[in-house]
Amino acid sequence: DSGVTQTPKHLITATGQRVTLRCSPRSGDLSVYWYQQSLDQGLQFLIQYYNGEERAKGNILERFSAQQFPDLHSELNLSSLELGDSALYFCASSVVDSPYNEQFFGPGTRLTVL
Amino acid sequence: AQSVTQLDSHVSVSEGTPVLLRCNYSSSYSPSLFWYVQHPNKGLQLLLKYTSAATLVKGINGFEAEFKKSETSFHLTKPSAHMSDAAEYFCVVSENPGGYNKLIFGAGTRLAVHP
Repeated sequence: DSGVTQTPKHLITATGQRVTLRCSPRSGDLSVYWYQQSLDQGLQFLIQYYNGEERAKGNILERFSAQQFPDLHSELNLSSLELGDSALYFCASSVVDSPYNEQFFGPGTRLTVL
Repeated sequence: AQSVTQLDSHVSVSEGTPVLLRCNYSSSYSPSLFWYVQHPNKGLQLLLKYTSAATLVKGINGFEAEFKKSETSFHLTKPSAHMSDAAEYFCVVSENPGGYNKLIFGAGTRLAVHP
């Protein structure tokens, strides 16, 4: 158990809908990262927050957005969903924003868009 | 630009035999390198990391990896495979361009262990 929690575990929805994925980082971790894992694209970095502020953006679509709240939990919002958005979405956290610090991953949310 | 190449998408070994999962990287910076493991329907777990200290890194569950700068490699090994080692393994490079921590994942190697 990494200490990172994600809810829900599974989400099934229809095209065009909007969903929110939630992540609670490990106690004391200030950085939260979101990743998407799909069969065709592999594991891709989406976005990072550090202590409430957006820090870096990766391959995140404009239909997706995220935020980190004062209690450091984070939410990833996916809107106007398409079939291709079906994937496993991971949240990870680390203490600080350093390349020497490993990231701790949550169990993921599996999103299925029908 | 940094990248990670895992040379084998699938590796199959017999229980009790050695494991070798190969990884090559390219990086413009002095990288940190990691191996993560993902068991079916689970999140990713850190096996080991290299951060410019000792070039031979020992990790959990008997795994180790050697950083070879001249070969730009970071291969993962284990002397004797267990059935429980069957999983997907990701080689990861981390850099800090522009002041943020960016992880680049390899495509993964699926390890099968046969009795």
